[in-house]
Amino acid sequence: DARVTQTPRHKVTEMGQEVTMRCQPILGHNTVFWYRQTMMQGLELLAYFRNRAPLDDSGMPKDRFSAEMPDATLATLKIQPSEPRDSAVYFCASGLVRLGRGRNSNQPQHFGDGTRLSIL
Amino acid sequence: GIQVEQSPPDLILQEGANSTLRCNFSDSVNNLQWFHQNPWGQLINLFYIPSGTKQNGRLSATTVATERYSLLYISSSQTTDSGVYFCAVTNNAGNMLTFGGGTRLMVKP
Repeated sequence: DARVTQTPRHKVTEMGQEVTMRCQPILGHNTVFWYRQTMMQGLELLAYFRNRAPLDDSGMPKDRFSAEMPDATLATLKIQPSEPRDSAVYFCASGLVRLGRGRNSNQPQHFGDGTRLSIL
Repeated sequence: GIQVEQSPPDLILQEGANSTLRCNFSDSVNNLQWFHQNPWGQLINLFYIPSGTKQNGRLSATTVATERYSLLYISSSQTTDSGVYFCAVTNNAGNMLTFGGGTRLMVKP
Protein backbone atom coordinates (compact mmCIF):
# COMPACT_ATOMS: atom_id res chain seq x y z
CA ASP A 1 0.00 0.00 0.00
CA ALA A 2 1.18 3.53 -0.77
CA ARG A 3 2.04 5.51 2.36
CA VAL A 4 2.91 9.03 3.42
CA THR A 5 6.49 9.07 4.70
CA GLN A 6 7.68 11.49 7.36
CA THR A 7 11.18 12.10 8.68
CA PRO A 8 12.50 12.23 11.29
CA ARG A 9 10.23 10.13 13.51
CA HIS A 10 11.63 11.74 16.63
CA LYS A 11 13.53 14.97 17.21
CA VAL A 12 14.89 16.37 20.47
CA THR A 13 16.67 19.69 20.37
CA GLU A 14 17.34 22.75 22.43
CA MET A 15 15.34 25.94 22.38
CA GLY A 16 16.45 28.32 19.65
CA GLN A 17 17.58 25.64 17.20
CA GLU A 18 16.15 25.28 13.72
CA VAL A 19 13.96 22.23 13.14
CA THR A 20 13.07 20.85 9.71
CA MET A 21 10.46 18.15 9.22
CA ARG A 22 10.01 16.40 5.89
CA CYS A 23 7.11 14.66 4.22
CA GLN A 24 6.81 12.58 1.06
CA PRO A 25 3.14 12.48 0.00
CA ILE A 26 1.51 9.59 -1.81
CA LEU A 27 2.24 9.70 -5.53
CA GLY A 28 -0.68 11.18 -7.42
CA HIS A 29 -2.14 13.10 -4.48
CA ASN A 30 -2.49 16.80 -5.23
CA THR A 31 -3.08 18.15 -1.70
CA VAL A 32 -0.69 18.02 1.26
CA PHE A 33 -1.61 18.97 4.82
CA TRP A 34 0.38 19.66 7.99
CA TYR A 35 -1.37 18.99 11.31
CA ARG A 36 -0.13 19.34 14.87
CA GLN A 37 -1.28 17.28 17.84
CA THR A 38 -0.95 18.46 21.44
CA MET A 39 -2.64 17.37 24.63
CA MET A 40 -4.25 20.78 25.07
CA GLN A 41 -5.40 21.53 21.52
CA GLY A 42 -5.83 18.07 20.04
CA LEU A 43 -5.30 17.75 16.27
CA GLU A 44 -5.30 21.04 14.41
CA LEU A 45 -4.40 22.14 10.88
CA LEU A 46 -1.30 24.26 10.40
CA ALA A 47 -1.14 24.63 6.61
CA TYR A 48 -1.97 22.95 3.34
CA PHE A 49 -0.91 22.97 -0.29
CA ARG A 50 -2.59 22.03 -3.53
CA ASN A 51 -0.47 21.31 -6.58
CA ARG A 52 2.44 22.66 -4.52
CA ALA A 53 0.83 26.09 -4.02
CA PRO A 54 0.09 27.18 -0.45
CA LEU A 55 -3.68 27.56 0.06
CA ASP A 56 -4.07 28.12 3.77
CA ASP A 57 -1.48 28.67 6.47
CA SER A 58 -3.69 30.58 8.89
CA GLY A 59 -3.11 27.96 11.60
CA MET A 60 0.62 28.53 11.59
CA PRO A 61 2.57 31.08 13.67
CA LYS A 62 4.11 33.05 10.82
CA ASP A 63 6.99 34.55 12.75
CA ARG A 64 8.74 31.24 13.31
CA PHE A 65 7.05 28.60 11.14
CA SER A 66 7.36 28.16 7.40
CA ALA A 67 5.97 25.48 5.09
CA GLU A 68 7.12 24.82 1.56
CA MET A 69 6.72 22.29 -1.17
CA PRO A 70 9.81 22.49 -3.38
CA ASP A 71 8.60 19.65 -5.59
CA ALA A 72 5.70 17.21 -5.84
CA THR A 73 7.50 14.58 -3.78
CA LEU A 74 8.61 16.72 -0.86
CA ALA A 75 6.92 19.01 1.65
CA THR A 76 8.84 20.67 4.48
CA LEU A 77 7.84 22.33 7.72
CA LYS A 78 10.48 24.48 9.42
CA ILE A 79 10.57 26.10 12.83
CA GLN A 80 13.17 28.80 13.46
CA PRO A 81 13.81 29.55 16.26
CA SER A 82 12.13 26.67 18.09
CA GLU A 83 10.52 27.14 21.51
CA PRO A 84 9.44 24.63 24.19
CA ARG A 85 5.76 25.31 23.38
CA ASP A 86 6.38 23.88 19.91
CA SER A 87 6.78 20.42 21.44
CA ALA A 88 4.11 18.26 19.81
CA VAL A 89 3.56 15.54 17.24
CA TYR A 90 3.49 16.92 13.71
CA PHE A 91 1.58 14.94 11.10
CA CYS A 92 1.68 15.25 7.35
CA ALA A 93 -1.27 13.99 5.33
CA SER A 94 -2.00 13.83 1.63
CA GLY A 95 -5.14 13.43 -0.41
CA LEU A 96 -6.69 13.87 -3.82
CA VAL A 97 -9.13 16.76 -4.21
CA ARG A 98 -11.06 17.17 -7.42
CA LEU A 99 -12.28 20.72 -7.82
CA GLY A 100 -15.92 21.15 -8.69
CA ARG A 101 -18.32 24.02 -9.18
CA GLY A 102 -19.34 25.00 -5.65
CA ARG A 103 -18.34 21.67 -4.16
CA ASN A 104 -15.05 19.82 -4.19
CA SER A 105 -14.82 16.07 -4.33
CA ASN A 106 -12.59 14.98 -1.48
CA GLN A 107 -11.00 11.60 -1.27
CA PRO A 108 -9.81 10.32 2.11
CA GLN A 109 -6.71 11.85 3.60
CA HIS A 110 -3.86 9.51 4.46
CA PHE A 111 -1.54 10.33 7.36
CA GLY A 112 2.13 9.72 7.93
CA ASP A 113 3.42 8.30 11.21
CA GLY A 114 4.25 11.78 12.52
CA THR A 115 7.33 13.52 13.88
CA ARG A 116 7.46 13.64 17.68
CA LEU A 117 9.23 16.92 18.48
CA SER A 118 10.60 17.84 21.89
CA ILE A 119 12.12 21.27 22.46
CA LEU A 120 14.12 21.50 25.69
CA GLY B 1 -16.07 26.81 11.47
CA ILE B 2 -17.59 23.37 11.73
CA GLN B 3 -17.75 21.81 15.21
CA VAL B 4 -17.20 18.11 15.83
CA GLU B 5 -18.13 16.44 19.11
CA GLN B 6 -17.43 12.86 20.06
CA SER B 7 -18.89 10.76 22.83
CA PRO B 8 -18.12 9.21 25.16
CA PRO B 9 -14.74 10.78 25.89
CA ASP B 10 -13.53 7.65 27.67
CA LEU B 11 -14.65 4.04 27.50
CA ILE B 12 -13.46 0.93 29.31
CA LEU B 13 -14.56 -2.45 28.01
CA GLN B 14 -14.01 -6.05 28.89
CA GLU B 15 -12.58 -8.08 26.02
CA GLY B 16 -15.39 -9.48 23.89
CA ALA B 17 -17.83 -6.64 24.57
CA ASN B 18 -19.46 -4.47 21.89
CA SER B 19 -19.46 -0.68 21.80
CA THR B 20 -20.81 2.29 19.88
CA LEU B 21 -18.93 5.54 19.47
CA ARG B 22 -20.74 8.67 18.33
CA CYS B 23 -19.67 11.72 16.32
CA ASN B 24 -21.90 14.78 15.96
CA PHE B 25 -21.09 17.61 13.57
CA SER B 26 -22.55 21.08 13.22
CA ASP B 27 -22.79 21.52 9.44
CA SER B 28 -23.19 19.51 6.26
CA VAL B 29 -20.02 17.62 5.36
CA ASN B 30 -18.21 16.64 2.22
CA ASN B 31 -15.93 14.11 3.85
CA LEU B 32 -16.04 12.14 7.09
CA GLN B 33 -13.30 9.83 8.26
CA TRP B 34 -12.84 7.62 11.33
CA PHE B 35 -9.30 7.04 12.57
CA HIS B 36 -7.74 4.84 15.22
CA GLN B 37 -4.68 6.28 16.93
CA ASN B 38 -2.78 3.32 18.30
CA PRO B 39 -0.49 3.37 21.36
CA TRP B 40 2.45 4.17 19.07
CA GLY B 41 0.72 7.34 17.93
CA GLN B 42 -0.04 6.25 14.38
CA LEU B 43 -3.29 7.47 12.85
CA ILE B 44 -4.86 4.54 11.07
CA ASN B 45 -7.64 5.13 8.54
CA LEU B 46 -10.68 3.06 9.47
CA PHE B 47 -13.44 4.42 7.26
CA TYR B 48 -14.10 7.10 4.70
CA ILE B 49 -17.84 7.49 5.11
CA PRO B 50 -19.52 10.82 4.26
CA SER B 51 -22.83 8.92 4.13
CA GLY B 52 -24.22 5.42 4.35
CA THR B 53 -22.91 2.29 6.05
CA LYS B 54 -19.67 0.37 5.67
CA GLN B 55 -18.25 -2.69 7.36
CA ASN B 56 -14.72 -3.97 7.77
CA GLY B 57 -14.39 -7.09 9.86
CA ARG B 58 -15.47 -6.39 13.43
CA LEU B 59 -15.84 -2.68 12.73
CA SER B 60 -18.67 -0.92 10.99
CA ALA B 61 -19.70 2.70 10.59
CA THR B 62 -22.85 4.54 9.69
CA THR B 63 -23.20 8.21 8.78
CA VAL B 64 -26.59 9.90 8.64
CA ALA B 65 -25.61 13.11 6.89
CA THR B 66 -29.08 14.68 7.06
CA GLU B 67 -29.04 14.37 10.86
CA ARG B 68 -25.36 15.27 11.17
CA TYR B 69 -23.99 12.30 13.02
CA SER B 70 -21.90 9.20 12.51
CA LEU B 71 -21.56 6.04 14.57
CA LEU B 72 -18.66 3.61 14.82
CA TYR B 73 -19.48 0.11 16.02
CA ILE B 74 -16.88 -2.19 17.47
CA SER B 75 -17.98 -5.78 18.02
CA SER B 76 -16.21 -8.50 20.02
CA SER B 77 -13.60 -6.01 21.19
CA GLN B 78 -9.97 -7.09 21.57
CA THR B 79 -7.12 -5.58 23.58
CA THR B 80 -5.54 -4.43 20.31
CA ASP B 81 -8.58 -2.16 19.77
CA SER B 82 -7.32 0.05 22.62
CA GLY B 83 -6.32 3.57 21.69
CA VAL B 84 -8.07 6.77 20.70
CA TYR B 85 -10.74 6.91 18.02
CA PHE B 86 -11.11 10.16 16.11
CA CYS B 87 -13.84 11.37 13.84
CA ALA B 88 -12.84 14.12 11.37
CA VAL B 89 -14.84 16.02 8.77
CA THR B 90 -14.53 18.56 5.99
CA ASN B 91 -17.40 20.81 5.03
CA ASN B 92 -18.40 21.74 1.48
CA ALA B 93 -16.32 24.91 1.49
CA GLY B 94 -13.06 23.60 2.85
CA ASN B 95 -10.60 20.78 2.38
CA MET B 96 -8.90 20.43 5.72
CA LEU B 97 -10.12 17.96 8.30
CA THR B 98 -11.61 19.23 11.54
CA PHE B 99 -11.13 16.64 14.26
CA GLY B 100 -13.31 15.78 17.20
CA GLY B 101 -11.79 15.43 20.64
CA GLY B 102 -11.61 11.65 20.37
CA THR B 103 -12.87 8.68 22.38
CA ARG B 104 -10.19 6.99 24.46
CA LEU B 105 -10.91 3.26 24.52
CA MET B 106 -9.30 0.75 26.84
CA VAL B 107 -10.10 -2.93 26.37
CA LYS B 108 -9.19 -5.09 29.35
CA PRO B 109 -8.30 -8.79 28.98
